[in-house]
Amino acid sequence: AQSVTQLGSHVSVSEGALVLLRCNYSSSVPPYLFWYVQYPNQGLQLLLKYTTGATLVKGINGFEAEFNKSQTSFHLRKPSVHISDTAEYFCAVSEVTSGTYKYIFGTGTRLKVLA
Amino acid sequence: DVKVTQSSRYLVKRTGEKVFLECVQDMDHENMFWYRQDPGLGLRLIYFSYDVKMKEKGDIPEGYSVSREKKERFSLILESASTNQTSMYLCASSFNPGQGDPANYGYTFGSGTRLTVV
Repeated sequence: AQSVTQLGSHVSVSEGALVLLRCNYSSSVPPYLFWYVQYPNQGLQLLLKYTTGATLVKGINGFEAEFNKSQTSFHLRKPSVHISDTAEYFCAVSEVTSGTYKYIFGTGTRLKVLA
Repeated sequence: DVKVTQSSRYLVKRTGEKVFLECVQDMDHENMFWYRQDPGLGLRLIYFSYDVKMKEKGDIPEGYSVSREKKERFSLILESASTNQTSMYLCASSFNPGQGDPANYGYTFGSGTRLTVV
């Protein structure tokens, strides 16, 4: 079964700084990979996804992530964060069960952007 | 705008009550899912369904059941609510990859139902 590891449950950075949120998955077979963001008291919103093709993926709100097959990683970064990026971020990887694609989530990284 | 709608944002129920959480999607997705979210544990899959009247257990099905009588609706049932079922419940729906544009891969989530069992 797939597993997803997000290093760092809490990350604090200053506004304008670069942020890197780490995600590693277990499968040797290239899966579909996702990053979701959750703002307080809301559901999860898709930030970006890797399905095929170019390994650098750009998403909404200036976020990007790079799929690295050899390191089984899909780290998320943003060159200059804003206070409004304060939220919880979840990495997810696909897994097939009974012919159905479902997604396995990491335990999340809570990002706090300081003024 | 495509949507997954959960019927309640907040619920308070008593121990032992039977609780129904409803989820409706308007995207004609085959797959629907129920997760619970708890601090430090991320999202854990309770049940999913890949077709009408079909269901599969996820990682933590104990104490829950589901119903999918129509393609657009997936209900989560707590047969006898207990305090350890106090949580945020998230519904999601999706296509299977290979069925259309990769831009549509992945889940669409509802806004969540925060259930408190007292």
